[in-house]
Amino acid sequence: EDQVTQSPEALRLQEGESSSLNCSYTVSGLRGLFWYRQDPGKGPEFLFTLYSAGEEKEKERLKATLTKKESFLHITAPKPEDSATYLCAVAWNTGNQFYFGTGTSLTVIP
Amino acid sequence: DAGVIQSPRHEVTEMGQEVTLRCKPISGHDYLFWYRQTMMRGLELLIYFNNNVPIDDSGMPEDRFSAKMPNASFSTLKIQPSEPRDSAVYFCASSLTGGYTEAFFGQGTRLTVV
Repeated sequence: EDQVTQSPEALRLQEGESSSLNCSYTVSGLRGLFWYRQDPGKGPEFLFTLYSAGEEKEKERLKATLTKKESFLHITAPKPEDSATYLCAVAWNTGNQFYFGTGTSLTVIP
Repeated sequence: DAGVIQSPRHEVTEMGQEVTLRCKPISGHDYLFWYRQTMMRGLELLIYFNNNVPIDDSGMPEDRFSAKMPNASFSTLKIQPSEPRDSAVYFCASSLTGGYTEAFFGQGTRLTVV
């Protein structure tokens, strides 16, 4: 069965301390991989789409990368306002729906 | 565009009552998704539509749940009768081309069944 797994479940960083979040998936034909940010009480907010291994996308302090088995969300010099839950989702070639991982809860301490 | 709009934002109802959640997708998006989010199970896909037609409802937990999309700008998710275990946040999302492009989410409806 195709699965999406995110790690770690929770991460606490000091302001300025860079780190990476992981999203791994079992492949049955990846159509796209998507990263989202979710703040408490709000809907997931789209960040990036990646389609093929080797692809990278950047936005401010965030950089997403993709390999054949996993994706990383690198956070460089994070600030407290980066605190949120980060979700990844995949779409397979067999359908048009999005399957979500359970997320990484990031806390950045001033 | 105002984005995906859901109503109500919060709903508190008694067990056994009917609950209707509403969604207006982004104009021009051909795909609409209904998700349920809980602490235990995360985001679960309930059903999705393509051009107003239900494509996959395998995630709908029971016959108590039903969803409709009468036109391109409106969808409903109905629970009848509601039960306490239905308490969750329900999200609607829309996408231009399904799994090829990103989905945009509404702010969700927090449902509490007492």
